[in-house]
Amino acid sequence: NAGVTQTPKFQVLKTGQSMTLQCAQDMNHNSMYWYRQDPGMGLRLIYYSASEGTTDKGEVPNGYNVSRLNKREFSLRLESAAPSQTSVYFCASNTIEVPGPEAFFGQGTRLTVV
Amino acid sequence: AQSVSQHNHHVILSEAASLELGCNYSYGGTVNLFWYVQYPGQHLQLLLKYFSGDPLVKGIKGFEAEFIKSKFSFNLRKPSVQWSDTAEYFCAVTGGSYIPTFGRGTSLIVHP
Repeated sequence: NAGVTQTPKFQVLKTGQSMTLQCAQDMNHNSMYWYRQDPGMGLRLIYYSASEGTTDKGEVPNGYNVSRLNKREFSLRLESAAPSQTSVYFCASNTIEVPGPEAFFGQGTRLTVV
Repeated sequence: AQSVSQHNHHVILSEAASLELGCNYSYGGTVNLFWYVQYPGQHLQLLLKYFSGDPLVKGIKGFEAEFIKSKFSFNLRKPSVQWSDTAEYFCAVTGGSYIPTFGRGTSLIVHP
């Protein structure tokens, strides 16, 4: 059972570079999420996709874009990386159907922008 | 919009001590409540969840939590902690939108 698969696990970028974080889930979940985790701040929602074909901003969307490629895949793009985007990024998914909206997480991407 | 408040940011205990981590949420409707654990260098894993029914829920590794609707609380407890419980603990809530909202987390260090 793969669950939620996220790549890459580590990345170092220079300021101004771009990159895409990939996420795929094999649980047939409708909803997918991107969070960033910073010390003392918990997990903050960047963007989410409630269903295939829809995306919406979360709490901290500035500097990011997303694509819900199909039901399985949800990518996060940094067009021009900034040091403030140094963080650990987690992709997650859930469903409103049985057994309920428990979120499943990927392994995380540790991103450093220098 | 929903929100979650965790009162203890850092907790240090000795093995065998009892643990209680506070969590309060803000949401006017029906909620689903969760506690997640994040071991060092790992992703978040579900400890326990409350959807409905018995407000005292039991999770993995001897953890339990009690939903008190009148206090908007969902505190996590464990009678006797172990060194392996050293981790960060997150309380989370979903409301009508089913989007998980997380608290800021509590860092627990258990000394052997």
